[in-house]
Amino acid sequence: GQNIDQPTEMTATEGAIVQINCTYQTSGFNGLFWYQQHAGEAPTFLSYNVLDGLEEKGRFSSFLSRSKGYSYLLLKELQMKDSASYLCAVKDSNYQLIWGAGTKLIIKP
Amino acid sequence: GAVVSQHPSRVICKSGTSVKIECRSLDFQATTMFWYRQFPKQSLMLMATSNEGSKATYEQGVEKDKFLINHASLTLSTLTVTSAHPEDSSFYICSAPVGNTEAFFGQGTRLTVV
Repeated sequence: GQNIDQPTEMTATEGAIVQINCTYQTSGFNGLFWYQQHAGEAPTFLSYNVLDGLEEKGRFSSFLSRSKGYSYLLLKELQMKDSASYLCAVKDSNYQLIWGAGTKLIIKP
Repeated sequence: GAVVSQHPSRVICKSGTSVKIECRSLDFQATTMFWYRQFPKQSLMLMATSNEGSKATYEQGVEKDKFLINHASLTLSTLTVTSAHPEDSSFYICSAPVGNTEAFFGQGTRLTVV
């Protein structure tokens, strides 16, 4: 079966750095996505990785290792507004998005 | 960037009635739209894929006759929850893929059936 694993919840301090990991086993791979979702709202796109390596976009970076079936989202200079759920999703061989359950990130002052 | 507009954002309906949710692509044509359901503290669950001009493809376990999907134009897809019951209360979200690299989501619809 297809599976995406990410931690259920993480806590970090304002101004610090946090890394959210995601491991996946899917039938085929056509890219990995990270989305941010605030409570009661729809997800918003953060990043997309299809090749190995690090993609940096402002305070957020995303890393991919296809051989390990592994990705992480790195958030720097954490702000209170970063408190949200972070969803990892993989496009499989049919270009269908397979979603992780999300990681709830709690930022403390 | 691409925008997907979903309406209504919140709806409360009586048990046994039907509710229609609209999802529009505002500045691009969407031949495909995805409909998701999300229960509290759970991830997105794909319900069905709607394709413009053809029948929707439903995921296993999703009742076709209960969740009617229509994709009559390149900018509009609708999901109708028929004979709604309290267990249908959930957050419904549509999304449209843009190329292979992104999926843009509507704002979501919070459905409460009383």
